[in-house]
Amino acid sequence: QMQLQESGPGLVKPSETLSLTCTVSSGSISNSRYYWGWIRQPPGKGLEWIGNIYYSGSADYNPSLKSRVIISVDTSKNQFSLKLRSVTAADTAVYYCARVGVAVAIGYFDLWGRGTLVTVSS
Amino acid sequence: EIVLTQSPATLSLSPGERATLSCRASQSVSSYLAWYQQKPGQAPRLLIYDASYRGTGIPARFSGSGSGTDFTLTISSLEPEDFAVYYCQQRSNWPRTFGQGTKLEIK
Repeated sequence: QMQLQESGPGLVKPSETLSLTCTVSSGSISNSRYYWGWIRQPPGKGLEWIGNIYYSGSADYNPSLKSRVIISVDTSKNQFSLKLRSVTAADTAVYYCARVGVAVAIGYFDLWGRGTLVTVSS
Repeated sequence: EIVLTQSPATLSLSPGERATLSCRASQSVSSYLAWYQQKPGQAPRLLIYDASYRGTGIPARFSGSGSGTDFTLTISSLEPEDFAVYYCQQRSNWPRTFGQGTKLEIK
């Protein structure tokens, strides 16, 4: 059964770049039935969609973050990545990677990683 | 951006009772709305998509209804494991947006 796992530093300094990777296991990131997304959740708060990417590299971003975000895909490693630059304390959150349906449950996050807490602090 | 407003913020019920959660959109999302369940320390889990279709492995006690701007998640008879936070999410427009959540707590 397909699984997603986030990885990356748990602590990032203000003004630096947050970098996370999501590794897809027991399935191919190049499967045309899915694309892949990032969602974040500040401690004790709700969910915020960051962006999605297809295996071809085509991406969509939340306009509120678009100027600071890049999502990329590496099909050879079965991974996709998030980079968020110029971070502040407001970017402290649990970051989730997720699978998005293309054929079934289209446009919804039907499989999630466990999430990783990233704290922005000096 | 479509704003999703969930009510109530907190719902206190007992096991065996019926739960009714609401999600209202700031403009029509047709039937393109999902519900997720999130337990403490866990990732969200897709319960309902396209307003009324249950996700894989979701028990029949969970049902969704609505279209346009008003949606409802119903849990017919609460089990102890159902006490959690519930979020709605729309996929009608970009950016994808979530509601602020309803916490379902044990009375």
